[in-house]
Amino acid sequence: QQQVKQSPQSLIVQKGGISIINCAYENTAFDYFPWYQQFPGKGPALLIAIRPDVSEKKEGRFTISFNKSAKQFSLHIMDSQPGDSATYFCAARGGNKLTFGTGTQLKVEL
Amino acid sequence: DTAVSQTPKYLVTQMGNDKSIKCEQNLGHDTMYWYKQDSKKFLKIMFSYNNKELIINETVPNRFSPKSPDKAHLNLHINSLELGDSAVYFCASSQAGGRGDTEAFFGQGTRLTVV
Repeated sequence: QQQVKQSPQSLIVQKGGISIINCAYENTAFDYFPWYQQFPGKGPALLIAIRPDVSEKKEGRFTISFNKSAKQFSLHIMDSQPGDSATYFCAARGGNKLTFGTGTQLKVEL
Repeated sequence: DTAVSQTPKYLVTQMGNDKSIKCEQNLGHDTMYWYKQDSKKFLKIMFSYNNKELIINETVPNRFSPKSPDKAHLNLHINSLELGDSAVYFCASSQAGGRGDTEAFFGQGTRLTVV
């Protein structure tokens, strides 16, 4: 059972454009929602995270929008750069366990 | 100065063999995890240890056995390897059992190929 659904599976964006990745969850006990970035051959690394009592969090070009009532959250990458090309995972924490979405492969083209 | 280090990075072995993957973290965290990433990049938790005590044990074949000699180390031993075990295995650690806004740090992964 997939508790965190992520879309799209892949995304191609032009340099300077906005990349948007969406996630939806089912378990209302989740209390922390991080996004991870993974480059080929590397482990996932925390990009940005949000708690459910906040509707938006921005760090540089990365913004999380959180809609608690809809149980949805999204990652926006402004001014996308070729160096942002990677796989992005949303995740949700419940207790000691981090449940990941299925990942989005982002490619930023020149 | 690696935070979470795994060895080996690559492991190619034959079906039926027994192998181990080692993980060490120097972050002083009290919780460590093993995740499996399949060919479609799906990340799924396998085990979690908090201060050497097993706290999460997902539905994983009992051929997989984690061992935590101390809170800085979490090893994964796999018996009777099968083709379907081929994947990338990630070790991770976090503080305070992952509660609150604590980040999980991942190692670089061990790519296991069973032939």
